[in-house]
Amino acid sequence: EAQVTQNPRYLITVTGKKLTVTCSQNMNHEYMSWYRQDPGLGLRQIYYSMNVEVTDKGDVPEGYKVSRKEKRNFPLILESPSPNQTSLYFCASSSSTDSYYGYTFGSGTRLTVV
Amino acid sequence: KNQVEQSPQSLIILEGKNCTLQCNYTVSPFSNLRWYKQDTGRGPVSLTIMTFSENTKSNGRYTATLDADTKQSSLHITASQLSDSASYICVVGHRGTYKYIFGTGTRLKVLA
Repeated sequence: EAQVTQNPRYLITVTGKKLTVTCSQNMNHEYMSWYRQDPGLGLRQIYYSMNVEVTDKGDVPEGYKVSRKEKRNFPLILESPSPNQTSLYFCASSSSTDSYYGYTFGSGTRLTVV
Repeated sequence: KNQVEQSPQSLIILEGKNCTLQCNYTVSPFSNLRWYKQDTGRGPVSLTIMTFSENTKSNGRYTATLDADTKQSSLHITASQLSDSASYICVVGHRGTYKYIFGTGTRLKVLA
């Protein structure tokens, strides 16, 4: 089944403790992206990647890092999480950087930083 | 500024009734417009996509329209079902930048 898999689904952590949210897709998609979703603000792009070893900042990149060493994986790294990073996170992938091709979204990771 | 605005923010209807959700955008240059359905706590799922030259697209009981001149789109849901309860998000592609601009969504509740 074609899908984007995120792990974990739920995570509670403490301020300053580094964490990684994994994202993997099995569709051979070139384009991958991370979003956070907060009440009333909609989905905001954190980082995106157009191919292996090619990443760029989205609209809200502060406090996050990403890497794209393999085509299928696009982990999101929080080096020193803070409470304002408490949010619902989505990874998404697309077959092309031409924005006609829609995203396939993961199921989400609900992160709480205390 | 490239923006997507949706209305209403929330909507409650009775099962079996029709409803229409609105999306206005200022994204330019425009590439395409999608409507997504998002169940609570889940990832969005694409319902329809329209390019500049398309003014209507259907997917079962969902029909989307696009007026590229006025930069408006609507999503019409016919004969609503309880399972239609979700958030509906309008997303506009920004041509040439590989960026998608998301609306904040309309939360629909269908009551029995």
